Amino acid sequence: DAGVIQSPRHEVTEMGQEVTLRCKPISGHNSLFWYRQTMMRGLELLIYFNNNVPIDDSGMPEDRFSAKMPNASFSTLKIQPSEPRDSAVYFCASSLKENTEAFFGQGTRLTVV
Amino acid sequence: GDSVTQMEGPVTLSEEAFLTINCTYTATGYPSLFWYVQYPGEGLQLLLKATKADDKGSNKGFEATYRKETTSFHLEKGSVQVSDSAVYFCAPAAGGSYIPTFGRGTSLIVHP
Repeated sequence: DAGVIQSPRHEVTEMGQEVTLRCKPISGHNSLFWYRQTMMRGLELLIYFNNNVPIDDSGMPEDRFSAKMPNASFSTLKIQPSEPRDSAVYFCASSLKENTEAFFGQGTRLTVV
Repeated sequence: GDSVTQMEGPVTLSEEAFLTINCTYTATGYPSLFWYVQYPGEGLQLLLKATKADDKGSNKGFEATYRKETTSFHLEKGSVQVSDSAVYFCAPAAGGSYIPTFGRGTSLIVHP
């Protein structure tokens, strides 16, 4: 398996623009997580899906952030409108419910100018 | 909710030195415990894990023992290498949710 695949790897956008980050989890995994990593706050859980259903979105910072998982092999994290403070590395991870190890993608480095 | 406390970094060592990175956690019930490692420019990957009290996880010369009485899961390695330079994350995951909870991690820098 190719592992968790995220795209794009790098994204530079202007403040106010819409940004969409994409994730393909490992085939057969039924839990998917979106995390945000910054120097100040470390690695924060944004949202957790199980069997494509959002279970816990309490980490989503505000209404500008939204996440979807239309099927078991694809998820998106959207920021609209983007702000400079959204600049961070965003990671997607997946796991089997029975196996608690989380497998991470390479991350998307987002820069909002 | 679950939380973890790790020692602040960076930890700077010379090659072949002994490494300890402390980790204590709070969690409901009896969580599985994990150490993840993040090399520069990459995502996190599992280093080792322990699923019940007194279990010892080990991998690549690293070890950690699940200490329920002290709620700790300290990471150790007898002789570090330059290639061990990375950020290390201790993560408990409560049994019901299986959501790994991370903190800021501990940066390790190993000099030749």
